[in-house]
Amino acid sequence: GAVVSQHPSRVICKSGTSVKIECRSLDFQATTMFWYRQFPKKSLMLMATSNEGSKATYEQGVEKDKFLINHASLTLSTLTVTSAHPEDSSFYICSATRTGNVVYGYTFGSGTRLTVV
Amino acid sequence: AQKVTQAQTEISVVEKEDVTLDCVYETRDTTYYLFWYKQPPSGELVFLIRRNSFDEQNEISGRYSWNFQKSTSSFNFTITASQVVDSAVYFCALISSGSARQLTFGSGTQLTVLP
Repeated sequence: GAVVSQHPSRVICKSGTSVKIECRSLDFQATTMFWYRQFPKKSLMLMATSNEGSKATYEQGVEKDKFLINHASLTLSTLTVTSAHPEDSSFYICSATRTGNVVYGYTFGSGTRLTVV
Repeated sequence: AQKVTQAQTEISVVEKEDVTLDCVYETRDTTYYLFWYKQPPSGELVFLIRRNSFDEQNEISGRYSWNFQKSTSSFNFTITASQVVDSAVYFCALISSGSARQLTFGSGTQLTVLP
C-alpha cells in the first residue's frame, strides 16, 4: 500500500530559527502533495498544494515567505518554517496522492509536532 | 465551493454501546468522493473508507458501517459495540471533481468511549 513518511515527528526549536519538515512518498510517485496545519482540537487547515517541479500554491492567509515549500522530486516535498515564532507552534501534516488520480485516495504522513520556545 | 459539516463536536459513550457519527456535505459537482479518517491521540490520520458519488451502497467492515444517502447529502458512520480503542477524533472529508484535488475536512468529532 501507499506509504508516506514524514520527518521529524517532533521538533522543538528556539524562536527565530528555521525548521525543515520532510514528506516522502515511499512506494509511489506523487506529483502533488498537500501541507496541512492543525491547531489543538481543530480540523486540518490546508496550507498549500505542492506540485513537483513548480511553485507551490498557497491558501489565502498563508505567508509564502514564512512557510517555504519545495517539491523537487516525485517523492519528496519539504516545508520550511522560517524564523519560527511561538505562534507557529502547531501540528503539521502532509499528504500525497498518486499521480493524477484521486481515486487512489490520499495517504497522510504521521505528522510533525512543532514547538517553538 | 464544497463544505463538510460534522455537527457533533464531542460524543461520549460507554463501552459496547453503538454510536453514530454524522456527516453532511455540500458540493455542486456530480462526481465526488467522501472519506472518513480516524485521528488517535498520537496524531496520524488513519484512512477508514472512501466512497464515490455513484455508489450509494452501504458498507460494513467489522464493527464499522457507513450509510451514504445522496438524497440528504449525508455520509454517516456507525461503530457497533464500541471499544475504548475507538476513542479518537473522526473526520469526514470530501473531494469533488472541481476542487483541484483538495480534500475538504469537516471539523471533526471527538469520540470518547468510557470503560
